[in-house]
Amino acid sequence: ETGVTQTPRHLVMGMTNKKSLKCEQHLGHNAMYWYKQSAKKPLELMFVYSLEERVENNSVPSRFSPECPNSSHLFLHLHTLQPEDSALYLCASSQDRAGSYNEQFFGPGTRLTVL
Amino acid sequence: QKEVEQDPGPLSVPEGAIVSLNCTYSNSAFQYFMWYRQYSRKGPELLMYTYSSGNKEDGRFTAQVDKSSKYISLFIRDSQPSDSATYLCAVDQTGANNLFFGTGTRLTVIP
Repeated sequence: ETGVTQTPRHLVMGMTNKKSLKCEQHLGHNAMYWYKQSAKKPLELMFVYSLEERVENNSVPSRFSPECPNSSHLFLHLHTLQPEDSALYLCASSQDRAGSYNEQFFGPGTRLTVL
Repeated sequence: QKEVEQDPGPLSVPEGAIVSLNCTYSNSAFQYFMWYRQYSRKGPELLMYTYSSGNKEDGRFTAQVDKSSKYISLFIRDSQPSDSATYLCAVDQTGANNLFFGTGTRLTVIP
């Protein structure tokens, strides 16, 4: 596997379910990100991890819970979601998060549908 | 006010046409300007990156930044069907990857 991978690629869940999204980066990067992409809306940054510490949480509802057990893996735990949470969830990584510009590399995303 | 405004299109052009994609931004403190390309069922991939003002060229692609008018552009020359994708502009103030994205413009190049 190369780059940034995400599983599952598609997920349908009910409002009372608990599920998790997984992201893995094979680039040796130190920073990882979760974004939400909804139709006709800009990408919304949800969480940022740098060296396994959460450094940003952009007012995301508590029904989304991130976890970064090591610098290569990032999870997004989901529980009691709402239909408006249906979207494409993208994971990204970059070498670092400070200093000069660091390109972000994106995974293919998980298409989430909440019924 | 949104940080970045982008015409969502869609935009359809014949093969070989010159394509112009544009965004405006609100905060003059932004210094890093990116264009991402996103194919269907894929994540965005960085196409062009510019720091501060000026032009940057890479093959058929040219990115322009006009900081005086807070306007960024991407030009595609000799467009190809393989250029059909959604193009996202993004801006960053410090290079620390606090990116603000436009909504994306969907482009279709017709053979």
